Amino acid sequence: DAGVIQSPRHEVTEMGQEVTLRCKPISGHDYLFWYRQTMMRGLELLIYFNNNVPIDDSGMPEDRFSAKMPNASFSTLKIQPSEPRDSAVYFCASSPPGTGAPDTQYFGPGTRLTVL
Amino acid sequence: SQQGEEDPQALSIQEGENATMNCSYKTSINNLQWYRQNSGRGLVHLILIRSNEREKHSGRLRVTLDTSKKSSSLLITASRAADTASYFCATDAYLDTGRRALTFGSGTRLQVQP
Repeated sequence: DAGVIQSPRHEVTEMGQEVTLRCKPISGHDYLFWYRQTMMRGLELLIYFNNNVPIDDSGMPEDRFSAKMPNASFSTLKIQPSEPRDSAVYFCASSPPGTGAPDTQYFGPGTRLTVL
Repeated sequence: SQQGEEDPQALSIQEGENATMNCSYKTSINNLQWYRQNSGRGLVHLILIRSNEREKHSGRLRVTLDTSKKSSSLLITASRAADTASYFCATDAYLDTGRRALTFGSGTRLQVQP
């Protein structure tokens, strides 16, 4: 099992540029989560999907952030335009089918984003 | 505000000693989970305890849950240098939106000196 795969692992961009982060969940998992981790705010849930459908996006900070899950094996988190305060580590996690709600989560290695 | 808050924020012990980390939370939960994060890596699930359970063991890990006090503790026995990491509690509860999700605490940074 390859685990949750994220790309790129590191991204450095300039303010105003569009950034796209990618995630491949573990095969068979039907929940997918996007988190952001910073020293100041810790680990924050941005959005999560169940069976490719967005369930809760209340953590998405602004309209500059958008996420899609076109199929069960791929999701993207896009920031357009990016700002220096978006600099953080972005994690994708997935969770297997279970009780109808998210349970144990399996995290990817994260994407470290730096916006200059 | 964050649902779970760990205590202490940082802990330094000698190899072989036990490490205890505490987590307090605010609302009713479905379950509580503990995760570990090594520097520069993603989080790894350690153990899950459901709201109707009081204690759970997994190897050198022991977790307790007191729903009346809204608190949990993680005990790592006979610590090793490889246990050096940050440890997070995560509460499975309903968000303000009515949706169920995990909310992570701020973490305890554990340093085990060889």
